[in-house]
This record gives sequence, C-alpha cells and structure tokens, in this order.
Amino acid sequence: TQLLEQSPQFLSIQEGENLTVYCNSSSVFSSLQWYRQEPGEGPVLLVTVVTGGEVKKLKRLTFQFGDARKDSSLHITAAQPGDTGLYLCAGALSGRGSTLGRLYFGRGTQLTVWP
Amino acid sequence: SQTIHQWPATLVQPVGSPLSLECTVEGTSNPNLYWYRQAAGRGLQLLFYSVGIGQISSEVPQNLSASRPQDRQFILSSKKLLLSDSGFYLCAWSKPDTSGNTIYFGEGSWLTVV
Repeated sequence: TQLLEQSPQFLSIQEGENLTVYCNSSSVFSSLQWYRQEPGEGPVLLVTVVTGGEVKKLKRLTFQFGDARKDSSLHITAAQPGDTGLYLCAGALSGRGSTLGRLYFGRGTQLTVWP
Repeated sequence: SQTIHQWPATLVQPVGSPLSLECTVEGTSNPNLYWYRQAAGRGLQLLFYSVGIGQISSEVPQNLSASRPQDRQFILSSKKLLLSDSGFYLCAWSKPDTSGNTIYFGEGSWLTVV
C-alpha cells in the first residue's frame, strides 16, 4: 500500500504551459518534501514544507501544503524544457518515525516539457 | 558544507557474485544513513537505515545486507546476487535531530546483474 499517492504519473506538455502535480494521503505528515530527479542521478531537494496551509515559491514553482497536512501540490508556471524530470514527494509521518528521519516517498510524476 | 559520495557509479555483476556498494558522508556527525533502491526511474524503496555505528534496521527482507563500520560510512552488500537485485541504488543521509526530516541523496549506483 502506497502511503503517498502522486498524480498524474506521467505528464507531457509544451513549453509555456502551466501544470500541477498532486501528492495525497490519508495520513498526517509533520513535514513534506519535493524532490526532482534527472536520469541516472540522485533526487535533489526542491523544498520542505512543515506548516499546514504553507505556500512556498521557488522561481516558477509554487508548493503548497494542505491545511490538514495530508496533501501537497506543486504548480509550475510557464514550464520550460529544463523542468523535465521525475518529481517525487516525500513525507515524514506526524508522531512517529520523525526521530529516524523516515520519509515515505510517492511513486513520482515523470514530467516532459517539449520545446 | 555536507557532501555525500557513493561508489561505484555503475556495476555489472554475474548472478551469484558478491556485491559491495560504499557510501561516505562528510561535514556532519552522527547522521542518519539510508540505502534506497529505485526501479525503472520510479518511486524509492527504503532498504536499510541506520541511526548510529553498528545500528542497522531493515525495511524489507531481501538478499542484501548493510553495515555501518564508521560514523559516516554505510555499506550495502550481498553474498550472492540475484537477477532481481538489478536497479538503481541510492545512499542518503539526514541530520540526527528530528526537525525537517530532509534527506540528501548521493549520486546513485547502477547495478546490473547478468
């Protein structure tokens, strides 16, 4: 059973379009991270959100943590070919596992942006 | 600043041969250390994690083992590889405190068992 469900699994869009990736769960998380991974490399941290309702912006990327801390979204404005990659969300469960830094990962969203 | 390095980057091994992947972290003390496996560019499966020297927890039963002989060294091993062990292996670390739970990954190691 996957604790974090990401959608969509695949996304193929044209340069300049906007997109949103979702990360949902029935569990409450103390924090949630978004990573981006390119082929043959390790995932690279984009952002960490820890407060329910929190919104963080990283250039054209906007990250939101749900009020109940059960879900998150990543919105990209005016996507560029350089945004192509695998986007992974990961969360630390509230109340347990945090002392170990245990993260639960979604399966990822493979984004392809065509020029 | 902290850095993490794992090697080898790529490995082709015959079925039944042993395996040793190594990972070291610099610039921090007493990190939590992790080994993940990723199949076909998809989600990450946690294999092992360690909160200190000689302390290893396994998430899933498998043909692999892990050891932490030094504070910032984490080793993934197998005595006899199976075809199903092929995949992309990632070492990672996180701070020993409870805040943030952010994990930082190494470059990854591609293992192909033939």
